[in-house]
Amino acid sequence: EAGVVQSPRYKIIEKKQPVAFWCNPISGHNTLYWYLQNLGQGPELLIRYENEEAVDDSQLPKDRFSAERLKGVDSTLKIQPAELGDSAVYLCASSSSLESQETQYFGPGTRLLVL
Amino acid sequence: SQQGEEDPQALSIQEGENATMNCSYKTSINNLQWYRQNSGRGLVHLILIRSNEREKHSGRLRVTLDTSKKSSSLLITASRAADTASYFCATARRGSNYKLTFGKGTLLTVNP
Repeated sequence: EAGVVQSPRYKIIEKKQPVAFWCNPISGHNTLYWYLQNLGQGPELLIRYENEEAVDDSQLPKDRFSAERLKGVDSTLKIQPAELGDSAVYLCASSSSLESQETQYFGPGTRLLVL
Repeated sequence: SQQGEEDPQALSIQEGENATMNCSYKTSINNLQWYRQNSGRGLVHLILIRSNEREKHSGRLRVTLDTSKKSSSLLITASRAADTASYFCATARRGSNYKLTFGKGTLLTVNP
């Protein structure tokens, strides 16, 4: 079974530029998560989707961050414009209602560097 | 805010030794989970223990949970160099399996 796929793995941009991250969850997983992980910290939830609906986006900085999950499968997280402080690893995870959503499966992450 | 706090922040041991990491949390939980993260990679789920369980085993891993003290420990026995990674505890608050709150992690180094 393929795991959670994320692309790109690395991204370097200049501040004020836009950037987008893509995630393909495990097949059949209805719940998708985006996390932000700063250096030396644990991941922090940005947004959670149930199918195509964003059910928890309370931690998403909506002035510059946006996300979508069209058709309830793949998801894209966008930052526009990027700031220096956005340099971090962006992790995508998915889980299944068949497992009571208890276990989240993480992708390898996208490491963003904003110059 | 960080729900789980791991202790120690860093641990260095020799191959074959046991490694113990601790996690403390603040609120009532549904379950507590441990994840491993190798350098530059995503998190891998290791083991989950529910609030009504006290101990759980998986291979060389042993997890304990003390809800009265709001603490958990992860024991890795007979460590290997490949166990070198950061280990995170994550808690799912009571009433929600979805929202995991992670600690800052323990960096384990196993020297060959």
